[in-house]
Amino acid sequence: DAKTTQPPSMDCAEGRAANLPCNHSTISGNEYVYWYRQIHSQGPQYIIHGLKNNETNEMASLIITEDRKSSTLILPHATLRDTAVYYCIVRHTGTASKLTFGTGTRLQVTL
Amino acid sequence: DTGVSQDPRHKITKRGQNVTFRCDPISEHNRLYWYRQTLGQGPEFLTYFQNEAQLEKSRLLSDRFSAERPKGSFSTLEIQRTEQGDSAMYLCASRVVSGSSNTEAFFGQGTRLTVV
Repeated sequence: DAKTTQPPSMDCAEGRAANLPCNHSTISGNEYVYWYRQIHSQGPQYIIHGLKNNETNEMASLIITEDRKSSTLILPHATLRDTAVYYCIVRHTGTASKLTFGTGTRLQVTL
Repeated sequence: DTGVSQDPRHKITKRGQNVTFRCDPISEHNRLYWYRQTLGQGPEFLTYFQNEAQLEKSRLLSDRFSAERPKGSFSTLEIQRTEQGDSAMYLCASRVVSGSSNTEAFFGQGTRLTVV
C-alpha cells in the first residue's frame, strides 16, 4: 500500500472548517484514500473514503486532486468533539486486509 | 450495544505472566483483526481472521503471541511470558467481506496492557 504524509498537528477554531491535508504521491490506480480518526482512549473510527471523485457524507467531505497524489479531509463546522488524531490511509479496497496507519494529524479544536 | 466489544479494558500484569484478551466482533462480521498501538503511534497490524481461519500474521506477532477464533465468532489474543515492551493498547476490529457487501472496519475500545 502507498505511503502517506500528513502534518503532525493542526489547530482549528470551533465552528470553522477544518481542512486536513494528506500527500500520497505513490498511490496506484486501484488504491483508495481512507480517513479514520481516533479520539483519545478510543478505537479508530471510519470517516470516509474515495477513489477519484470527491465524496461527502454526514461527517465530512473528501477532496481528491485530479492526479490523485493528494487529498484533503474537510470537517465543515468543527466542534470540540472533533478533537482527535486523523489518519489518512491508502489501500486497495474490496477484500483487502489490513489498514496501515501512519502517525496521523492531531487536530485540536479550540474555543 | 452492537459494536465491537473488548475485554478487559485495562490489564496490569507482572513481567513473565501470561495474559489473554477477548474480542467480540459485530454479529455476522466474518473478518476480525487485531492491532497493537503504542503511545504516540498509529495502530499496527498484528493478524486477521476470515471466519475461523487465521489468514495473515505480522512479523510483530512473535512466538509468544497467539490468536484464535475457534468458532468464527469471538477471538482471543494471548501473550505468554509478557515483557515490558508488550505494554500497549490492543485493538480489535471487524468487518464484513462478502463480494459486493463489504463494510468498513469497526474498532473496539481496546485493551490497555501495562506490564510492570
